[in-house]
Amino acid sequence: AQRVTQPEKLLSVFKGAPVELKCNYSYSGSPELFWYVQYSRQRLQLLLRHISRESIKGFTADLNKGETSFHLKKPFAQEEDSAMYYCALRGASSGSARQLTFGSGTQLTVLP
Amino acid sequence: GAVVSQHPSRVICKSGTSVKIECRSLDFQATTMFWYRQFPKQSLMLMATSNEGSKATYEQGVEKDKFLINHASLTLSTLTVTSAHPEDSSFYICRAERGQWGTEAFFGQGTRLTVV
Repeated sequence: AQRVTQPEKLLSVFKGAPVELKCNYSYSGSPELFWYVQYSRQRLQLLLRHISRESIKGFTADLNKGETSFHLKKPFAQEEDSAMYYCALRGASSGSARQLTFGSGTQLTVLP
Repeated sequence: GAVVSQHPSRVICKSGTSVKIECRSLDFQATTMFWYRQFPKQSLMLMATSNEGSKATYEQGVEKDKFLINHASLTLSTLTVTSAHPEDSSFYICRAERGQWGTEAFFGQGTRLTVV
């Protein structure tokens, strides 16, 4: 079974401070990991995926297979980063494992 | 990017009535669509997986007779909440995947259902 755990339901940081949203996963094979973001009154959208190894809006996330983690980081948080963030996993095999499994989400609030 | 349109965005209905929510992939064919329910400040709860031309697969605990899903074409899936009750009030979101192996996922804007 695949599982995604986001231990922090709420996270508040001040503007300009570093932020890290934690994500741990459980999967026996090689998963694809994603971060999705949901800004207030907007639809869920893809923020980044581990295979792209990209930085989007200053956010990065590194897949650590040893720790089975995919933490999302940004060195200097901005107020517009306030949103709900979901970590998601997709298994590598076909069938139901191709479904996206979402973590419970972390509500990030960046304070002025 | 690809667009998934969900309609209506907001609906209020009386207890006991049925409500239909549509999810359309506007510029791509989606062989699989997913329906989620989201409670305030909480995660997405997968309700069912909808495959074009076949019966939906429901997650454990989701009443298939209450939440009717129809995926009649490669661009349209509908969720009908039958005999709605106030506890069905929630935010419903659809997701469509593009590509044979669903390598890209796109979400609808969601439907806020309020049952009074």
